Amino acid sequence: GAVVSQHPSRVICKSGTSVKIECRSLDFQATTMFWYRQFPKKSLMLMATSNEGSKATYEQGVEKDKFLINHASLTLSTLTVTSAHPEDSSFYICSASRPSSGRDTQYFGPGTRLTVL
Amino acid sequence: AQTVTQSQPEMSVQEAETVTLSCTYDTSENNYYLFWYKQPPSRQMILVIRQEAYKQQNATENRFSVNFQKAAKSFSLKISDSQLGDTAMYFCAFGGATNKLIFGTGTLLAVQP
Repeated sequence: GAVVSQHPSRVICKSGTSVKIECRSLDFQATTMFWYRQFPKKSLMLMATSNEGSKATYEQGVEKDKFLINHASLTLSTLTVTSAHPEDSSFYICSASRPSSGRDTQYFGPGTRLTVL
Repeated sequence: AQTVTQSQPEMSVQEAETVTLSCTYDTSENNYYLFWYKQPPSRQMILVIRQEAYKQQNATENRFSVNFQKAAKSFSLKISDSQLGDTAMYFCAFGGATNKLIFGTGTLLAVQP
């Protein structure tokens, strides 16, 4: 299969601090990774598309200076929530695109629950 | 812009019975993929089934099958012999030229013993 991991699974931080979330494709190389945010009982909202070796593309309304994305290798993308505030508390999910499985097939990580106090 | 609509917020089915989840979409593209993802209480998104738009044959994965009607822009998921482990939120998704996925709002399926 195609396995994607995320770390940490849960994080609690104080308001004003920064939090880094890692997303790794464990058994395949992913030129493209995606970051989503999901509110309780809601669908996934795409935040940004991360391409290896280039700048991330952010969706409209997502603050690029607040949600820093780095895709330094074909197996790792990171999302850093800078100066986190309580309204940033949410469930963040990453996915990695595996071309050999067919165009646009995304495999998802288990998610990270962020709680900002 | 593409849209995906799931008109059933919640559904319930008895164990061992069959249930069909509805999904419609709108697009002007001709070459695209459609997906059903499952999100159980663990919140891990799991790919259930995938359909290429250029294929007329409906995709099947064990107990899961789709009814893909391209002209009607409909993509329903049929779950046969429902099991308790099928209890989850099911999301229909569209994948087109942008390489992004457009998700529906989801259908919460409860399998009753």
